[in-house]
Amino acid sequence: SQQGEEDPQALSIQEGENATMNCSYKTSINNLQWYRQNSGRGLVHLILIRSNEREKHSGRLRVTLDTSKKSSSLLITASRAADTASYFCATDRGGGFKTIFGAGTRLFVKA
Amino acid sequence: DTEVTQTPKHLVMGMTNKKSLKCEQHMGHRAMYWYKQKAKKPPELMFVYSYEKLSINESVPSRFSPECPNSSLLNLHLHALQPEDSALYLCASSHYDPGAEQFFGPGTRLTVL
Repeated sequence: SQQGEEDPQALSIQEGENATMNCSYKTSINNLQWYRQNSGRGLVHLILIRSNEREKHSGRLRVTLDTSKKSSSLLITASRAADTASYFCATDRGGGFKTIFGAGTRLFVKA
Repeated sequence: DTEVTQTPKHLVMGMTNKKSLKCEQHMGHRAMYWYKQKAKKPPELMFVYSYEKLSINESVPSRFSPECPNSSLLNLHLHALQPEDSALYLCASSHYDPGAEQFFGPGTRLTVL
C-alpha cells in the first residue's frame, strides 16, 4: 500500500517558472525524502528533511515539512528543461528500513 | 565510488526460465534493497537486507528469491515468473541508518513472455 499521495499528478510549466509539488503521508515518520527519476531510469536523491525540521534548502530546491498536517512540499525555482522528470516523496513509516514512495508528480518543463 | 551497478540492463525471459538479476555497490553500505516499479507507478519495496541478512520481505511471491552473498553484492533469482511480473527492477543501497538516503542503480527492465 502507498504511504503517500502526491499532487499534482502531472505539471507542465515554462522554463524559468517555479514548480511546486505536494506530498501527504499517513503515519508518523522520522525522515521524508524527495527523489527524481528520469524516464525509465534509477532514482536520484534530492533532499532529506527530518521530522524535527520545517524547511530545508538545496540549490534551487526548497522543501517544507508540516508534521501536524502530515504533508511536505517541494519547490523548484527557476525551472529548466533538464528538470523534466518524475518526482517522488519517500517516507520511512515511523522508522526502520521500510521505505514507502508516494505516487509521484510528473513534471514537464517546456523550453 | 558512489555508484550502484545492475546487470543486465534488459532481460527477456519465458515463464519457465530461471534467471538472476545482479546488483553491486562499493560504498560500504550495509543495507540493500530490491524494488519493483511498473510503468508510471512509484517503486514498491520488495526486500531489504541488513548486514547481509534478510530483514524485510514485503510478502513477495516465492518465485522471487533474493540472495546477499556478501556486503557488496545483491542478487534476485527469478523462476517461473508471470507476464505481470514484467517491470523495472531497481536495486538500492544505504548506510545502516533507517530513513537514510538511498543510492539507486539504473535498474533492469524485465519482460516476461
